[in-house]
Amino acid sequence: GAVVSQHPSRVICKSGTSVKIECRSLDFQATTMFWYRQFPKKSLMLMATSNEGSKATYEQGVEKDKFLINHASLTLSTLTVTSAHPEDSSFYICSARAVQGANTEAFFGQGTRLTVV
Amino acid sequence: RKEVEQDPGPFNVPEGATVAFNCTYSNSASQSFFWYRQDCRKEPKLLMSVYSSGNEDGRFTAQLNRASQYISLLIRDSKLSDSATYLCVVTTGTGGFKTIFGAGTRLFVKA
Repeated sequence: GAVVSQHPSRVICKSGTSVKIECRSLDFQATTMFWYRQFPKKSLMLMATSNEGSKATYEQGVEKDKFLINHASLTLSTLTVTSAHPEDSSFYICSARAVQGANTEAFFGQGTRLTVV
Repeated sequence: RKEVEQDPGPFNVPEGATVAFNCTYSNSASQSFFWYRQDCRKEPKLLMSVYSSGNEDGRFTAQLNRASQYISLLIRDSKLSDSATYLCVVTTGTGGFKTIFGAGTRLFVKA
């Protein structure tokens, strides 16, 4: 099946610093990618939809200036957590579909566990 | 009301048991439905799609009732390896086809 690669898998950073997470579709082009956040024992919460060549669409309650999304190419989307704080510590995961359409499987990156100290 | 709601769980069952997961969704215009499985600290992986006619894959059977906006997953003859969190997933919208996850139901299968 299609492969989505996410990097880094784990990162620890100090409060106030910024962290960039990359999401790559390795064997297909993805005009749209999705970014999720998951707290322990909770479901994945959609943060934003990343659109290649245009602005991301953020879900209600997600600060776009805090979570910067860039989708500069058909195979790469990045999420930057700016001025990170301990409450930003979470599991972040991206997904993409190989084919546009509702009836196709979404492939997920391996996730990034962010710890802000 | 949450867009996708699942049984709270956790379910603790012995090997060989039959387990049923239920899920409801609020948007009647939702287009596609899936069950994903997520192991601890891993990314979700597709278990099976759910079709209106119902579908079966080995020990797993999925059903969709559009009128009731209800989805189910049945696991027969549970194995230890079935222990995981099962996520009900619904896709809505156009263009980007937003994917919404239920909170998940944790399953523990014990020997």
